[in-house]
Amino acid sequence: AQKITQTQPGMFVQEKEAVTLDCTYDTSDQSYGLFWYKQPSSGEMIFLIYQGSYDEQNATEGRYSLNFQKARKSANLVISASQLGDSAMYFCAMRGVQGAQKLVFGQGTRLTINP
Amino acid sequence: KAGVTQTPRYLIKTRGQQVTLSCSPISGHRSVSWYQQTPGQGLQFLFEYFSETQRNKGNFPGRFSGRQFSNSRSEMNVSTLELGDSALYLCASSLDGADPYEQYFGPGTRLTVT
Repeated sequence: AQKITQTQPGMFVQEKEAVTLDCTYDTSDQSYGLFWYKQPSSGEMIFLIYQGSYDEQNATEGRYSLNFQKARKSANLVISASQLGDSAMYFCAMRGVQGAQKLVFGQGTRLTINP
Repeated sequence: KAGVTQTPRYLIKTRGQQVTLSCSPISGHRSVSWYQQTPGQGLQFLFEYFSETQRNKGNFPGRFSGRQFSNSRSEMNVSTLELGDSALYLCASSLDGADPYEQYFGPGTRLTVT
């Protein structure tokens, strides 16, 4: 069975600071994908970044980067230069077998950016 | 192109009733997945449909069912509603077999059971 653990229920960060959101995972699959989604108060899940288990380089998408440490089974999200609009819930998720669309989500971290 | 749409956006039902939620995927997408989000249980996978067939199923009772039509639109049905079914129901669509992160979510349907 797959499991995602996010240990930070809430985080408060000053605008323009960098922030790291923690995510650890557990799986017996050899091939898997790790995702981060942002969920504003509107409810829609917004895809941020993806890391494949065989990708050797850490994924980056604009201000988002994923710190992937396979041996430690961690996939932390780093947001550089945080903005007020970054305030939202953030979910780490994983997908196992290639082609299967089932995502397993962590409990989420509520990020609040203070001006 | 248009995103994933879900109707209705908000719904209030009484315990014991049944409800049908609808999801229209992005044009060309053949896979539709459903998730339930509650404060207590978080986001949980309900089921996935691909080409009108249920391909994956989560651990939910038989009161939760779904189907997919030939145009890839999907519906999920919950019968004999319980208070605990109050949740945000999210639908996600995917081309399937393309980019691994190509799973787009709709805005959700917020169901309240009284």
